[in-house]
Amino acid sequence: NAGVTQTPKFRVLKTGQSMTLLCAQDMNHEYMYWYRQDPGMGLRLIHYSVGEGTTAKGEVPDGYNVSRLKKQNFLLGLESAAPSQTSVYFCASSRGPSGNTIYFGEGSWLTVV
Amino acid sequence: TQLLEQSPQFLSIQEGENLTVYCNSSSVFSSLQWYRQEPGEGPVLLVTVVTGGEVKKLKRLTFQFGDARKDSSLHITAAQPGDTGLYLCARRGDNFNKFYFGSGTKLNVKP
Repeated sequence: NAGVTQTPKFRVLKTGQSMTLLCAQDMNHEYMYWYRQDPGMGLRLIHYSVGEGTTAKGEVPDGYNVSRLKKQNFLLGLESAAPSQTSVYFCASSRGPSGNTIYFGEGSWLTVV
Repeated sequence: TQLLEQSPQFLSIQEGENLTVYCNSSSVFSSLQWYRQEPGEGPVLLVTVVTGGEVKKLKRLTFQFGDARKDSSLHITAAQPGDTGLYLCARRGDNFNKFYFGSGTKLNVKP
C-alpha cells in the first residue's frame, strides 16, 4: 500500500530558486496537510486543505503556496527559496473531521544554500 | 492556545529501564494522539486517547490521559533499542481542521 507519497525525497536549492514538492495519497482522504519539521521545533503546519479545490493557511505559511487541484494531490511551492526554508517537509492526510489519525509521508529533505 | 509542551526533550537510557514522557497543555482537548517517528521516516500513530482518566496499553507502552484532559503521559516498561525514536503528542485544533504537534521527546535506548 502506497499511502502518502512525497517527491522528491532530497533536494538542494540555491537562494532565490523555485521548486514544487509533490504529495499524493491513495486513501481517498479529504484532508491533506504540509508540515515542516525543524530541530527543537516539532512539526509546524504550513498549509492545509479540507477538500479538492480548497486550501488554508497554517501556523507558518509565509514563503509557501499550495494547490489542491485533485483530491489525491497536494502541492507545496516555494517561489523564491531562502536558507530559512531549509527543513524536512512532511505531507500528511486524514479522513476528515471525524478521522483522528493522520498518515504521513516519508518526508522531503530540502536544503537551501 | 493550541500549545503542547513535551518533556523531557531528550532521554537516553539503558535497555531494560523504565521511562515516562509527558505532554501538557494549558487548555482542555477532546482527544490526544501519540505518534512515534523513527529516523528518516514520517510519524506513525501509536494511540488515541479520548476520555479523561483513560489508560490504554500497547504491549510495553502505557498511555494515560489526564482526568482534566489537559495532559497525557506515555510510560514504557523495560525499554528496548527498538523503542528508539521521537515521540510526539498531537491534538486537533478547535475547528477540527488542523492537528497541532508538540516538539517531541527524543528517546535513545542503548543496548
